[in-house]
Amino acid sequence: GNSVTQMEGPVTLSEEAFLTINCTYTATGYPSLFWYVQYPGEGLQLLLKATKADDKGSNKGFEATYRKETTSFHLEKGSVQVSDSAVYFCALLNSGGYQKVTFGTGTKLQVIP
Amino acid sequence: DGGITQSPKYLFRKEGQNVTLSCEQNLNHDAMYWYRQDPGQGLRLIYYSQIVNDFQKGDIAEGYSVSREKKESFPLTVTSAQKNPTAFYLCASSSRDEDDEQYFGPGTRLTVT
Repeated sequence: GNSVTQMEGPVTLSEEAFLTINCTYTATGYPSLFWYVQYPGEGLQLLLKATKADDKGSNKGFEATYRKETTSFHLEKGSVQVSDSAVYFCALLNSGGYQKVTFGTGTKLQVIP
Repeated sequence: DGGITQSPKYLFRKEGQNVTLSCEQNLNHDAMYWYRQDPGQGLRLIYYSQIVNDFQKGDIAEGYSVSREKKESFPLTVTSAQKNPTAFYLCASSSRDEDDEQYFGPGTRLTVT
C-alpha cells in the first residue's frame, strides 16, 4: 500500500535559519506529492505540490523537488520566520479509482526569534 | 470567496448523544471527505463521497455516519457507538481531476465528556 514517512518533530530553529523537513514515500505508479501546512487550531492549507518526477513545487519561499529515484519530497526554506511556526504534512495522491490521499504524521516546526 | 465552511468551531456533548458536524463547500467540487485528527497524529479518513447520493467508508468509519444529498453539503454524524469521539474533525473537498489537491475547512473540535 501507499505510505508517507516524515521526520519526527518538533523541529526548533532560530529565525533566518535554513529549514529541511524530510519526507519519503512508498507508492505504486506515479503519485502526485504535496506539502500542507496547519497553523494552530486551523485546517490544512496547501503549501506546494509536484505532479511528476523532477518537478519542483514552490510557494512563499518554500521548495520541494519530486525525486523518484530516492522516493523523496523534502521541504526546504532558506530563511525561516517566526510566522512559519506550524505543523507541516507531506502527502501523496495516487489516482486510479477515487482520490485517496495518504498523509504523513506531520512535523511541528517552531521558529524562535 | 470560494471555500469550505465547517460549523461549529467547538462542540461539546455528553457521552451517549449523537452529534452532527456540518460541512459546506461552494467550490463546485464533486468529491468530499471527512478526516479525524488526534493530537500529534496525522489525518485518518473516516468517509468520502465522490458524487451526490454516494459515499464510501474510509479507514475508520465505525461509529460514524454521513449523507450526501446535495453537492455542497456532506454532514458527519458521530454516533454514541464511537468509542473515542473527542478529536479534531476536518472536512475536505476536491475536483475529480486526477492531480487536484484537496481543500480543507477550518475544522471542528469535538469534546465528549
